[in-house]
Amino acid sequence: QVQLVQSGAEVKKPGASVKVSCKTSGYTFNNYYMHWVRQAPGQGLEWMAIINPRDGSPTYAPRFQGRVTMARDTSTNTVYMEVTSLTSEDTAVYYCAVGAPPGDYFEYWGQGALVTVSS
Amino acid sequence: ETVMTQSPATLSVSPGERATLSCRASQSISSNLAWYQQKPGQAPRLLIFAASTRATGIPARFSGSGSGTQFTLTISSLQSEDFAIYYCQQYNNWPLWTFGQGTKVEIK
Repeated sequence: QVQLVQSGAEVKKPGASVKVSCKTSGYTFNNYYMHWVRQAPGQGLEWMAIINPRDGSPTYAPRFQGRVTMARDTSTNTVYMEVTSLTSEDTAVYYCAVGAPPGDYFEYWGQGALVTVSS
Repeated sequence: ETVMTQSPATLSVSPGERATLSCRASQSISSNLAWYQQKPGQAPRLLIFAASTRATGIPARFSGSGSGTQFTLTISSLQSEDFAIYYCQQYNNWPLWTFGQGTKVEIK
């Protein structure tokens, strides 16, 4: 069965960076595009980025362009997302999710990773 | 950006009753709409895609309808496990997927 297992919770100081990972299994890696979605405490869902598993090309939501980097490692079927210049407004649960084809709904989700930004 | 607006924000329903949730898109999205259920401390779970197709394993009491800009999720007879937050999502106008702000279904 499809599994997306994310890295653990992180606590970072303002201005720092954080890198979260999402290890996939149970499907052919190239068959699903991966997304990152975040959810601030008590808030709704916000789409951040997508990566093409075949060539590793990412696309970012305009508000995250320049501050978010998404990459994949085909040797371990893992996708990473790094967020730089963290502020308290980046405190959120970060989810990976997959869908196929690229312009599709999100069929499977990871368990989420809480990132807390606090001085 | 396609703005998704859900109503009501909170819906109070008794177990066994019917719940009707609405989602409106700021521009036409054809039938490219999904519904997700999220319980506290859990990731969202796909319920409905293509506006009206139930995802694998989703009970028949969940149904979706609509096209264009107006969509509805109906839960025909609420069970205790259905009390949660429900989000709609458009995937027509990508690469900028957008979600509604959610409807919380609570016990009356």
